[in-house]
Amino acid sequence: AQSVAQPEDQVNVAEGNPLTVKCTYSVSGNPYLFWYVQYPNRGLQFLLKYITGDNLVKGSYGFEAEFNKSQTSFHLKKPSALVSDSALYFCAVRDGANAGKSTFGDGTTLTVKP
Amino acid sequence: GAGVSQSPRYKVAKRGQDVALRCDPISGHVSLFWYQQALGQGPEFLTYFQNEAQLDKSGLPSDRFFAERPEGSVSTLKIQRTQQEDSAVYLCASSLGGISNQPQHFGDGTRLSIL
Repeated sequence: AQSVAQPEDQVNVAEGNPLTVKCTYSVSGNPYLFWYVQYPNRGLQFLLKYITGDNLVKGSYGFEAEFNKSQTSFHLKKPSALVSDSALYFCAVRDGANAGKSTFGDGTTLTVKP
Repeated sequence: GAGVSQSPRYKVAKRGQDVALRCDPISGHVSLFWYQQALGQGPEFLTYFQNEAQLDKSGLPSDRFFAERPEGSVSTLKIQRTQQEDSAVYLCASSLGGISNQPQHFGDGTRLSIL
């Protein structure tokens, strides 16, 4: 079985400040980890992924995420938040041996205030 | 460029009616996925196709749910004898290959409301 936890329903930050959106996971095999963003009434858009290699991965729109195997975490970060980053963020995990099923967290709403 | 297209965007049906939801994946994408997203929750996996083969249907909630992709391109999710708990957004996603390290490209979903 695989699972994802996003412990914060809501994250509020001021524009220009760094942001972190937390994610922890559980999977039996090698974890393939993904972050997606969702805007109202739209589908999910891919931001970044960790498959193997460097624990710090960089993605779209200045976002990055750090894979920590010992803590089974994959937190999303950005050094300087923009108001336009306000959206719903989802973390997802796949077992590396299974090309099918992805398991998503329940999402974290990020609000960046001017 | 053309993304994943889902139709209809909104569907209202009476309890007990059958509905069919369509997904047009990105051209050439081998893998196709269906998810159910309830309000305030993340997407829940329903089923997965690689070309025309349905490789995993473990997430389908009951035998009232049926999905097909007969020619390995367009897919249809059918729900028979709909119930109120079927109300949700149904998301379709596709990815280029059949391996797990590739991101999924999502459509905008079909919002299904059962009265």
